[in-house]
Amino acid sequence: QLQLQESGPGLVKPSETLSLSCTVSGGSINTNSYYWGWVRQPPGKGLAWIGNIFYDGNTYYNQSLKRRVTISMDTSKNQFSLKVTSVTAADTAVYYCVRVPLVMVTALHLPTWFDSWGQGALVTVSS
Amino acid sequence: EIVLTQSPATLSVSPGERATLSCRASQSVANNLAWYQQKPGQAPRLLIYAASTRATGVPARFGGSGSGTEFTLTIGSLHSEDFAIYYCHQYNNWPPEDTFGQGTKLEIK
Repeated sequence: QLQLQESGPGLVKPSETLSLSCTVSGGSINTNSYYWGWVRQPPGKGLAWIGNIFYDGNTYYNQSLKRRVTISMDTSKNQFSLKVTSVTAADTAVYYCVRVPLVMVTALHLPTWFDSWGQGALVTVSS
Repeated sequence: EIVLTQSPATLSVSPGERATLSCRASQSVANNLAWYQQKPGQAPRLLIYAASTRATGVPARFGGSGSGTEFTLTIGSLHSEDFAIYYCHQYNNWPPEDTFGQGTKLEIK
């Protein structure tokens, strides 16, 4: 059974870098069958997509966060990671890692819905 | 950016009754729409993908319909465990630029 587990500091100071990892068990991230992604949810608010990564290293980011976000993967650890630089209080949220099935359309691997979620990690930005 | 507008913001329904939730897209997303259920303190759970396909293990009382810009999630004969927040999500763009609706809170009447 696939499981995703977020880990990382729960408190980050303003202007610093938020770093989270997602450890996947029950399946390999080194696959051309899925993307892997991040979604966040500020306290009491709705969901927002952050970005996805494919096994070949290609990444896709929310345009509103693109300049501050990096998603990477370490296949030897079966983990993928999120970094958000120059954080402010607006980055305070529960961060979820997700698995993203894909569909093939012509030669494109198109990411789709989020079928598995980690339990979430609350990251608070505060001095 | 494609904006998803869910209505109503809050829906009060009695157990055993039917609930109908709406999601409207600012432009066509074809059938590239999913629905999720989120309970307090939990991660969202996938209910419906491709507008009308139930995810594995989702009870048959959950149904999705629609295409283009108008979508509906219907929950027939509400159970106590169905009271939660429901989000729609579109994944129509390439390169990806996914967006979510703001959510509908389904509460017990």
